[in-house]
Amino acid sequence: DTGVSQDPRHKITKRGQNVTFRCDPISEHNRLYWYRQTLGQGPEFLTYFQNEAQLEKSRLLSDRFSAERPKGSFSTLEIQRTEQGDSAMYLCASRRKPRVGYGYTFGSGTRLTVV
Amino acid sequence: QKEVEQNSGPLSVPEGAIASLNCTYSDRGSQSFFWYRQYSGKSPELIMSIYSNGDKEDGRFTAQLNKASQYVSLLIRDSQPSDSATYLCAVIDPNAGGTSYGKLTFGQGTILTVHP
Repeated sequence: DTGVSQDPRHKITKRGQNVTFRCDPISEHNRLYWYRQTLGQGPEFLTYFQNEAQLEKSRLLSDRFSAERPKGSFSTLEIQRTEQGDSAMYLCASRRKPRVGYGYTFGSGTRLTVV
Repeated sequence: QKEVEQNSGPLSVPEGAIASLNCTYSDRGSQSFFWYRQYSGKSPELIMSIYSNGDKEDGRFTAQLNKASQYVSLLIRDSQPSDSATYLCAVIDPNAGGTSYGKLTFGQGTILTVHP
């Protein structure tokens, strides 16, 4: 069990550029989540995958954002035409079919800075 | 509007004291509750989960849940400087595809400082 892996750890980009982040969940975890966290706030839910199906998307996920999870393994989160307001920590988490009270583990996150 | 509320602090306690962190939630249907610890610049780390009324103890940590009053708390006994971090309360949204979705709603976090 190697944990949830995210890449890159840090990304600095110019406004208007596209960026893509990758998340490798714990193996055999069929549920995968993306969250965004800004300074001084708790993480906010962005989207959820069960296997390869994207089952829920937050209103925070504007049409500039797209997430995929091909073959139910790793996931990517792409932001097109980045804006300064996109600067945040992007967190990925995964877990098996949950039981009541069973939490999940986050990856180390990708910190995005849009300049 | 589903909400999870925490006092942002900062909460400052001396080393060896008990730190008490509180959280309230608005959705009475919520079933599962979590406490995460987050060090500056790092990702949240799960430290406690609770889903039944009462207390749950794990080492120096005790989580308390009162569903009637819709609050959950975390007690840290014998606080250490290494406990200084932001503590996030999280609740599973019971209306997002049921508990199988596992979508978490977080509070804004309470900053805890333990001074020597």
